[in-house]
Amino acid sequence: QKEVEQNSGPLSVPEGAIASLNCTYSDRGSQSFFWYRQYSGKSPELIMFIYSNGDKEDGRFTAQLNKASQYVSLLIRDSQPSDSATYLCAVNRGFQKLVFGTGTRLLVSP
Amino acid sequence: DVKVTQSSRYLVKRTGEKVFLECVQDMDHENMFWYRQDPGLGLRLIYFSYDVKMKEKGDIPEGYSVSREKKERFSLILESASTNQTSMYLCASSHRGRLAGLYTDTQYFGPGTRLTVL
Repeated sequence: QKEVEQNSGPLSVPEGAIASLNCTYSDRGSQSFFWYRQYSGKSPELIMFIYSNGDKEDGRFTAQLNKASQYVSLLIRDSQPSDSATYLCAVNRGFQKLVFGTGTRLLVSP
Repeated sequence: DVKVTQSSRYLVKRTGEKVFLECVQDMDHENMFWYRQDPGLGLRLIYFSYDVKMKEKGDIPEGYSVSREKKERFSLILESASTNQTSMYLCASSHRGRLAGLYTDTQYFGPGTRLTVL
């Protein structure tokens, strides 16, 4: 079992819709969770992080964490074509190191 | 803004060459990381440094070494480049801190170096 699992996609949504990206992790001791966005040929850039169970909102982005079920999700409201990218989920594996999922490719069509 | 820079965006080397990849961060971060990213395999940690002259192996250290002589600079060395080391190499840095009892371990990435070994 991989430490962090994501559906590779592509996830296709029309412009203006809500995109829902999911991630599951295996280590129950994980304490911090991150979503990064990576455009083709570019490096990952941080979208947001979450530490506590529940929702955390930042603009059009909402991260949701459920530690009991060991999943973290990212919702993107009012999706735009510029949101088309690969979204990486990352989980703290102890002592400042992160383990990354392989990413979900999101395609937003105009 | 955190700035992480890498010495080259693209690099082409021959099999057997010694290759140096440099990374510099300007935020006084304690931690620095080297990853490689390959299609279908995601980001894999090669080496990690949590202080000057301190290093720790990641998941795939074979064929690589690192050097951290100054806090802001972390170098990745391919001792004898091989074709299976053709990849995108990403450097990252993070601050060692705590927030509400948890590590603040957000990592910030450099632009990456696409290395091709012929």
